[in-house]
Order: sequence, then C-alpha cells, then structure tokens
Amino acid sequence: DADVTQTPRNRITKTGKRIMLECSQTKGHDRMYWYRQDPGLGLRLIYYSFDVKDINKGEISDGYSVSRQAQAKFSLSLESAIPNQTALYFCATSDLVQGGETQYFGPGTRLLVL
Amino acid sequence: GENVEQHPSTLSVQEGDSAVIKCTYSDSASNYFPWYKQELGKGPQLIIDIRSNVGEKKDQRIAVTLNKTAKHFSLHITETQPEDSAVYFCAASFNSGGYQKVTFGIGTKLQVIP
Repeated sequence: DADVTQTPRNRITKTGKRIMLECSQTKGHDRMYWYRQDPGLGLRLIYYSFDVKDINKGEISDGYSVSRQAQAKFSLSLESAIPNQTALYFCATSDLVQGGETQYFGPGTRLLVL
Repeated sequence: GENVEQHPSTLSVQEGDSAVIKCTYSDSASNYFPWYKQELGKGPQLIIDIRSNVGEKKDQRIAVTLNKTAKHFSLHITETQPEDSAVYFCAASFNSGGYQKVTFGIGTKLQVIP
C-alpha cells in the first residue's frame, strides 16, 4: 500500500463551489504539506503543518484553507473555487534527516475548475 | 527568499547517452539539495540528494555535483535508459526557524529516445 494517499485523484468542479482534497499517510511523520504544480512554475507550497496544532501558510495560501484532523490526515479546502485554481495538487510528508529534510509525495489530485 | 533556477526545461537524449540538468540557487544559507523524479501520473520521488559539506555524490548511474562558491548544482545521468524518461526537479533548502524551507526548480522534462 502507498505510504501517502490522496483522494480524489481527479476532480472537476464549477466556479464558486467548495471542495476538499484529502491526504492520509502511514509513514508516521509529523510534518505534512500541500503543494500545487503548474506547468512552467514547478511546485509551490500552499500550507504546511508540523503537528496537529501547528498550521502555517506557504507562499500561495490565498483562496485555500487546511485542516489537520490527526497526525495522519491533512486536508485542503478551496472555499470558493475559481478557474485559476486548476492545477495538480500534491500532499507530502517529511522526515528530518541529518542536514536536510526529505519529502515524500502522494500521487496527486488533478483538479479542473470550470 | 530563495530562488532556484533550473535548465533546460526539456531535454531529449538518445538511449545510452548522458543527460545533465543544471540548477542555480541564490541563498547562501541553503545547505541541502535534493533531486526528485516525477513519472507520469505519480508524485515526485527522491532519487538523490547532496549536502553542502559534500562536492559530489554518486549512486549507480546518477550523480550530483555541488559548487557552493558558484551556487550551482547539477544532476548527471549516464547510460540513459527509456525508463529514465520523466520530469526531474531540483530543490534547495535551509533551516528557517525550525522549518526546513524548500524551494523547487521548475522541472526538466527528460525524454530518452530508444
């Protein structure tokens, strides 16, 4: 079984709708992240969480919110979806290693906002 | 903040040839440089990393070099195979207030032609 899972894998929604993307992990990591990936822009950080009580904004948090329901679960919500939120969304967890931090990504959720 | 530039954005090589992807970073505080490989329909996966106290690291057909003075690092893949075809991301990270801040490059789409 995959260590980091995301649901749904694909989603089509309409402008103005509220949607939630979910992420679960079995790696036992405290740190979890949400990124979006756009062509030509790479991976950009939306939100990150160090533990259940610690939520932090990333570089592009506007229009998004998150909830860390448990150590293993971190969900991303789009309160009122807009077309420029069409992107590929990745959840990740991380493990501190000596001198750095390795990130483990889920398979991604492809979101289309019409 | 940190800025990571990656090039080329696309790269085509013949099977058996070598491929080189280059990245530059701007913040001298960056001390950890992971490389990720993203296959179609999957999330990025760590393939190799290097820390700032090391100039070169090899793992079978892949190697990474780091020049701290010039602030650039490169990924080298030798004897390329079709299964090496993927998008490759470089990243630079440093510790900022207990959080390892990671900045990704925009990605390089590598195509290995059989």
